[in-house]
Amino acid sequence: QKEVEQNSGPLSVPEGAIASLNCTYSDRGSQSFFWYRQYSGKSPELIMFIYSNGDKEDGRFTAQLNKASQYVSLLIRDSQPSDSATYLCAVITSGTYKYIFGTGTRLKVLA
Amino acid sequence: EAQVTQNPRYLITVTGKKLTVTCSQNMNHEYMSWYRQDPGLGLRQIYYSMNVEVTDKGDVPEGYKVSRKEKRNFPLILESPSPNQTSLYFCASSWGRFRTDTQYFGPGTRLTVL
Repeated sequence: QKEVEQNSGPLSVPEGAIASLNCTYSDRGSQSFFWYRQYSGKSPELIMFIYSNGDKEDGRFTAQLNKASQYVSLLIRDSQPSDSATYLCAVITSGTYKYIFGTGTRLKVLA
Repeated sequence: EAQVTQNPRYLITVTGKKLTVTCSQNMNHEYMSWYRQDPGLGLRQIYYSMNVEVTDKGDVPEGYKVSRKEKRNFPLILESPSPNQTSLYFCASSWGRFRTDTQYFGPGTRLTVL
């Protein structure tokens, strides 16, 4: 069974701090990696995708991919209370167009 | 407005009574997908479709059927619902350009099977 694992949290950080969310995956052939944000009672929405090793920045968000170690992370700089949500890591498994999601990490940004 | 719509949003039914949850997108997306979300288990893919008449199983397809007769619609069918199918269901669509894919999710359908 191909898996994506995340710490369920909650991860609590003070306002203005950097939040670091981590995700590991088991399928070494996975090629595309995604971070979705889901507010309570709402649908997931895409924050970022990454498919090359290294860092990718978009505003306050930075995704980091390390294929050798099979992990992908999301950094949120200058965290705001409005960032409080569940963050879902997802991969597209090798040889298919099937998505595997992690169970999500709940982030709480304390004002 | 670009959107994915699902109906109904809430449904309470009884074991064995066939039901269909509709999903429609107005973005001309090729890829459509159904997920269920359960506490502690996260979002799990049920079925996906690469295009009209092309469907494939996700991780948890048992007890579900889908069809893709038109590009915009992707209904989820539960022919004989059981209580373990009580869940929150999401439909999603995207262009299917997988390295740079953005899935757009519908608002969700909360299903309770008694």
